[in-house]
Amino acid sequence: DAGVTQSPTHLIKTRGQHVTLRCSPISGHKSVSWYQQVLGQGPQFIFQYYEKEERGRGNFPDRFSARQFPNYSSELNVNALLLGDSALYLCASSLVRDDYGYTFGSGTRLTVV
Amino acid sequence: SQQGEEDPQALSIQEGENATMNCSYKTSINNLQWYRQNSGRGLVHLILIRSNEREKHSGRLRVTLDTSKKSSSLLITASRAADTASYFCATDAGDYKLSFGAGTTVTVRA
Repeated sequence: DAGVTQSPTHLIKTRGQHVTLRCSPISGHKSVSWYQQVLGQGPQFIFQYYEKEERGRGNFPDRFSARQFPNYSSELNVNALLLGDSALYLCASSLVRDDYGYTFGSGTRLTVV
Repeated sequence: SQQGEEDPQALSIQEGENATMNCSYKTSINNLQWYRQNSGRGLVHLILIRSNEREKHSGRLRVTLDTSKKSSSLLITASRAADTASYFCATDAGDYKLSFGAGTTVTVRA
């Protein structure tokens, strides 16, 4: 069974550009979450989607948006990129049970220059 | 801001020794989870302990949870070179997100 897949693996963008990151959850998982991890820090929560509805949003500006599709895959969009958006973006899927952990993808390394 | 804080920030041990790291958090939780991350890639779920549990084992891992002190510990017994990684605790407060600490970097020397 395939794990959580993210694309692309690496990405270099220029300040002011827009980026779209993609995530496919584990089959049967209806919840997808996005996290940002800056070098040397723990992951920070950005969004959680369940059944195509946003259930949670972290403390990120409106430049960050996401959506979930009928097949439960998800996209994270970031507009007007800043140097500070350079980070590892992690996607996680879950069964949404309080006795079940999250399965993370390998992440997308975004560098903004 | 981060909910949890791991201690120590870094740990270096000899192969075969035990490694212990601690996590403190601030708010009430449903469960606490530990993750491992190798070389800045994806996180791997290690173990989940619910708020009504005090101790849990999985292979060479032992996790304790003290909700009165809002703290948890992760013990890795008989460490191996492959255990070299960053370890993160993450709390689930039932608010649709995990709150991570800054992590403990563990180096296992051969």
